[in-house]
Amino acid sequence: DADVTQTPRNRITKTGKRIMLECSQTKGHDRMYWYRQDPGLGLRLIYYSFDVKDINKGEISDGYSVSRQAQAKFSLSLESAIPNQTALYFCATSAAGGYGYTFGSGTRLTVV
Amino acid sequence: AQRVTQPEKLLSVFKGAPVELKCNYSYSGSPELFWYVQYSRQRLQLLLRHISRESIKGFTADLNKGETSFHLKKPFAQEEDSAMYYCALKVRNQGGKLIFGQGTELSVKP
Repeated sequence: DADVTQTPRNRITKTGKRIMLECSQTKGHDRMYWYRQDPGLGLRLIYYSFDVKDINKGEISDGYSVSRQAQAKFSLSLESAIPNQTALYFCATSAAGGYGYTFGSGTRLTVV
Repeated sequence: AQRVTQPEKLLSVFKGAPVELKCNYSYSGSPELFWYVQYSRQRLQLLLRHISRESIKGFTADLNKGETSFHLKKPFAQEEDSAMYYCALKVRNQGGKLIFGQGTELSVKP
């Protein structure tokens, strides 16, 4: 089935380490997004990309970077992880002109 | 500024009771609003959008531009409705990205 796949599902890492979260999709959507979910804060947009050459910062991009390696792949990196980046991270996709997002299953990241 | 507010973190009701999950928005243009649902340990999924005016799983939501609200309603709650619910606003002049509210956890007790 066409889907949005995130890897890893869970990750524990140490403060100061570099970590990459990966997202791949088979839906053929041009647009991809990274959100983090925190209790009481909802989902906040980190970065989004409308195509391979178009990457934009969201509301909380500090401490994060992204790479759109192909239409189907969008990776999120934490260059030097810190404990307050502990959260559930979601990747999502949408079609240009479409109205709904398709979400991945999420990556639960813990920074100790 | 664009903003979505869900004032209730937790809403607890008994099975069969009516449910109303509140959502208010701030947006200068003509809004396009959605409700997403996240069941335990599952990914978020689209529940409904205001343009379609449909009813999904017994839920409905009406856009009230005067009150800038998009509350989600169901006349008789079921235990399987227990989940996190997110209201979202589409920001058209920024490529259609979604801004989400803080979420409301609905707990339906037997």
